[in-house]
Amino acid sequence: EPEVTQTPSHQVTQMGQEVILRCVPISNHLYFYWYRQILGQKVEFLVSFYNNEISEKSEIFDDQFSVERPDGSNFTLKIRSTKLEDSAMYFCAIERVGDTEAFFGQGTRLTVV
Amino acid sequence: RKEVEQDPGPFNVPEGATVAFNCTYSNSASQSFFWYRQDCRKEPKLLMSVYSSGNEDGRFTAQLNRASQYISLLIRDSKLSDSATYLCVVTSMNTGNQFYFGTGTSLTVIP
Repeated sequence: EPEVTQTPSHQVTQMGQEVILRCVPISNHLYFYWYRQILGQKVEFLVSFYNNEISEKSEIFDDQFSVERPDGSNFTLKIRSTKLEDSAMYFCAIERVGDTEAFFGQGTRLTVV
Repeated sequence: RKEVEQDPGPFNVPEGATVAFNCTYSNSASQSFFWYRQDCRKEPKLLMSVYSSGNEDGRFTAQLNRASQYISLLIRDSKLSDSATYLCVVTSMNTGNQFYFGTGTSLTVIP
């Protein structure tokens, strides 16, 4: 059973639309992370979330992005007014209590057209 | 300056060969080190953590040299299923436990 499940697996959206990517961890998580990977490039950090608030964010994570835990378990990434260059794989990752490594979800492939 | 640097390869090796990947990191305060494996269009999956004393898991051996800020991965007796991109990952508590990824090293094992 995967540590974390992401939905949808693939999302196609028109430029300018808003998308919400979802992540559901199993339990006993400590940190949540969102990463993205543009095709052919390296995995890039977006944001980390600890104790129900953002603990760290990168330069990429500007006002276009937001994260929240709407119901205390799901972890969402909202991208407003999507641009073509937002097309990428978006990975949610969790770090469990007592661990140092992160476990990644299978990713959401976002395609902005 | 990149946080984590890797030789992108590609490495093309025959089955049964031994191959080594190297990685350097820039933050001397880095605390945790990992090798992840990523198959095409899939998520990164943890291969192994890397400890100062070195560690081995079957055909895979990882080494850490803190003085040189250098990490290595050795794969012995390469198998076709080892073909993937290998990601060097480093974390540091003073950056909010953020995981820094290298660009990855591409390995293709040839029959």
